Amino acid sequence: GAGVSQTPSNKVTEKGKYVELRCDPISGHTALYWYRQSLGQGPEFLIYFQGTGAADDSGLPNDRFFAVRPEGSVSTLKIQRTERGDSAVYLCASSPREDREQFFGPGTRLTVL
Amino acid sequence: RKEVEQDPGPFNVPEGATVAFNCTYSNSASQSFFWYRQDCRKEPKLLMSVYSSGNEDGRFTAQLNRASQYISLLIRDSKLSDSATYLCVVNRDDKIIFGKGTRLHILP
Repeated sequence: GAGVSQTPSNKVTEKGKYVELRCDPISGHTALYWYRQSLGQGPEFLIYFQGTGAADDSGLPNDRFFAVRPEGSVSTLKIQRTERGDSAVYLCASSPREDREQFFGPGTRLTVL
Repeated sequence: RKEVEQDPGPFNVPEGATVAFNCTYSNSASQSFFWYRQDCRKEPKLLMSVYSSGNEDGRFTAQLNRASQYISLLIRDSKLSDSATYLCVVNRDDKIIFGKGTRLHILP
């Protein structure tokens, strides 16, 4: 079956712009996670959804970052007033429940110039 | 102290050798544990879950030591295709924490 998909695969933007990153989880997976990964680092947790609600958003670095999952399936990560330090690969993962294997999407490589 | 710590490596190991990685975690309330593998510029993929009794999958063996708060991964008869970054993952309540990963290079 289809895995986790993320769009776009690459996004180049200018400092100060707004971006949206999309994640389509595996059908039926209730848990959805966003991570950010910089070169040479492990994935850094950003936010976790259980269904439509954000069960844990403690990893969001500041209020420029926001994520939604309005219908409990597709999720969008939104970054306002992008900064060069936001450049990273943004990974989305889904899981049938929070203590089970996570299936990752291919990521969106964000470059802020 | 970071909640999940791994030796970043790189580990340069000849083909056919056995290699072991350790990962320590700081929160004793951690509930589930995993090893993920990540190839260069690819997404992480689950290698093994780690159970208290230890578990084996072919050439790979994972063990958990709750008393000392570490997990280990052993790779026997290493192959060139084992070259990757190995990520230790700890789950506590709803929080998933990844280690920085250990880079492994298998040398021909």
